[in-house]
Amino acid sequence: AQSVTQLDSQVPVFEEAPVELRCNYSSSVSVYLFWYVQYPNQGLQLLLKYLSGSTLVESINGFEAEFNKSQTSFHLRKPSVHISDTAEYFCAVSEGAQKLVFGQGTRLTINP
Amino acid sequence: GAVVSQHPSRVICKSGTSVKIECRSLDFQATTMFWYRQFPKKSLMLMATSNEGSKATYEQGVEKDKFLINHASLTLSTLTVTSAHPEDSSFYICSALSEGARGYTFGSGTRLTVV
Repeated sequence: AQSVTQLDSQVPVFEEAPVELRCNYSSSVSVYLFWYVQYPNQGLQLLLKYLSGSTLVESINGFEAEFNKSQTSFHLRKPSVHISDTAEYFCAVSEGAQKLVFGQGTRLTINP
Repeated sequence: GAVVSQHPSRVICKSGTSVKIECRSLDFQATTMFWYRQFPKKSLMLMATSNEGSKATYEQGVEKDKFLINHASLTLSTLTVTSAHPEDSSFYICSALSEGARGYTFGSGTRLTVV
């Protein structure tokens, strides 16, 4: 069975600083990988996903993540964060069109 | 893009009553829907997977008689919390899977408070 580990429960950074949210997964087969963002009392919004092809995927708001098969990682990065990026971020994995398994979440707090 | 509508967004009910939560895919047919529960400051816990026209598959430890799931059409799944108790208070989120969209679309969640 697959599992996801987000190593940092909380990440505080200053505005305009770079950030990396770490995600590692375990699975015995090929997987699809996702990053979701959740604002307070709301559902999840897809940030970006890796299904196949290029290992570097980007979102429209400046986030990117790189699939590293050898290290079984899918870390999320942004070169310069904004106050509005404050939210909970979840990494998730699925084995084909199956259920999503989520990591524990990382709370990103941006300080002015 | 794919949109999933979840209602109600908030509900308060008395202990012992039942509450129904609806999850609709608005612009695509969802062959599979998922129901999650999220505790405060915690991750999402999958409760069950439902496929249209068949019985839901519940995760270990989830009471199927307490959390009734119906997926009668390709655009609607419902979760009914029966005989609710305060410990059932939580944030419930649905997700729909569309093969065409090759992805999972989430509803906006339902905050259930049992008093």
